[in-house]
Amino acid sequence: NAGVTQTPKFQVLKTGQSMTLQCAQDMNHNSMYWYRQDPGMGLRLIYYSASEGTTDKGEVPNGYNVSRLNKREFSLRLESAAPSQTSVYFCASSRDKIETQYFGPGTRLLVL
Amino acid sequence: RKEVEQDPGPFNVPEGATVAFNCTYSNSASQSFFWYRQDCRKEPKLLMSVYSSGNEDGRFTAQLNRASQYISLLIRDSKLSDSATYLCVVNVGRTYKYIFGTGTRLKVLA
Repeated sequence: NAGVTQTPKFQVLKTGQSMTLQCAQDMNHNSMYWYRQDPGMGLRLIYYSASEGTTDKGEVPNGYNVSRLNKREFSLRLESAAPSQTSVYFCASSRDKIETQYFGPGTRLLVL
Repeated sequence: RKEVEQDPGPFNVPEGATVAFNCTYSNSASQSFFWYRQDCRKEPKLLMSVYSSGNEDGRFTAQLNRASQYISLLIRDSKLSDSATYLCVVNVGRTYKYIFGTGTRLKVLA
């Protein structure tokens, strides 16, 4: 039982490049989330998916897109990376809203 | 005012000490409350949920004060392995919105 997995662990991009961060959970959770964590700031919600087939914007969605591929998988795409997107990205899942969230190990992204 | 506020610390305490952290929240519609632990360069991991009646898990005790809008975490008999950042998390209004504090850093010294 792996919980929440994320790939890649590390990535370096040049400004303007694109990439997709992958996330999968094996806990049969309905809801999935993407956060970014920057120094001195709490985790901020980028996008979430309440259930399979739905996605909604969070606090900081600009520059990102998401896909809920199926119940297990939720991907985050940066179409044209910018240095301001340098951050640590965490995927999380929960059974439903207000329930405990479980986090993946994170992706460290550096945009030059 | 931030929606969730924590003292960033660091709290430097000797092994065996008791230490307490508070976290204040501004939205009275907040429904669920959690304490997470985050080690350096790692993901947040659930330490405990916080219930209205308060709850205890071994050396850890969490309390909720809705009237004053804060939650607390008490750690007794601190261990070196308790050194970490403790994140306060609040769910607002039975939604998918979880607000994270910036964390309180704890260092337990030998």
